[in-house]
Amino acid sequence: GAVVSQHPSWVICKSGTSVKIECRSLDFQATTMFWYRQFPKQSLMLMATSNEGSKATYEQGVEKDKFLINHASLTLSTLTVTSAHPEDSSFYICSAPGTSGRQRDYEQYFGPGTRLTVT
Amino acid sequence: AQSVAQPEDQVNVAEGNPLTVKCTYSVSGNPYLFWYVQYPNRGLQFLLKYITGDNLVKGSYGFEAEFNKSQTSFHLKKPSALVSDSALYFCAVRDSESNYQLIWGAGTKLIIKP
Repeated sequence: GAVVSQHPSWVICKSGTSVKIECRSLDFQATTMFWYRQFPKQSLMLMATSNEGSKATYEQGVEKDKFLINHASLTLSTLTVTSAHPEDSSFYICSAPGTSGRQRDYEQYFGPGTRLTVT
Repeated sequence: AQSVAQPEDQVNVAEGNPLTVKCTYSVSGNPYLFWYVQYPNRGLQFLLKYITGDNLVKGSYGFEAEFNKSQTSFHLKKPSALVSDSALYFCAVRDSESNYQLIWGAGTKLIIKP
């Protein structure tokens, strides 16, 4: 099956600094990728849809200037948390739809997630 | 409005017993239904999906789910639970008109006791 990687798997940073998280589709191309945030014992919250070659689409309530998304190529999307604060500490997960079969059969393939802790 | 409900925050089952994790949905068109599992500090793994066809869908790790259109449900089942099945399970639905976006349930923590 399709594989999505994320880097780093965990990161600790100081308040006020910026952190970049990479999401890569390893054996398939992804024109669309999704970024989720997950709080402990809670469901996934969709933050934004990353589109290759165009601007990301952000969900309501997500600050565009704080969570910068760049979909630089068909296999890479990055999420940069700018001026991080302790409340940004969370588990960030990316996903990409598969490319085989008819569109309506697409599954989403998930990265392993990145644990961000802001001190 | 599209929605997915997982009415149980947690389900406790003894090892070897059958398990059921409940999911109901509400979408405007034909639903495309998915179950994913998440182990601690890990990403999500796909278990199974219903797109069309037989209402009983078989998936990974011995899990299966039954699509019930009249009850708008898609409950996850396994005949005999294993301790290693303990994890967080998410039901998700995709509206046929959406661009891959999934609508997620809140998740159900499954605990299998030896």
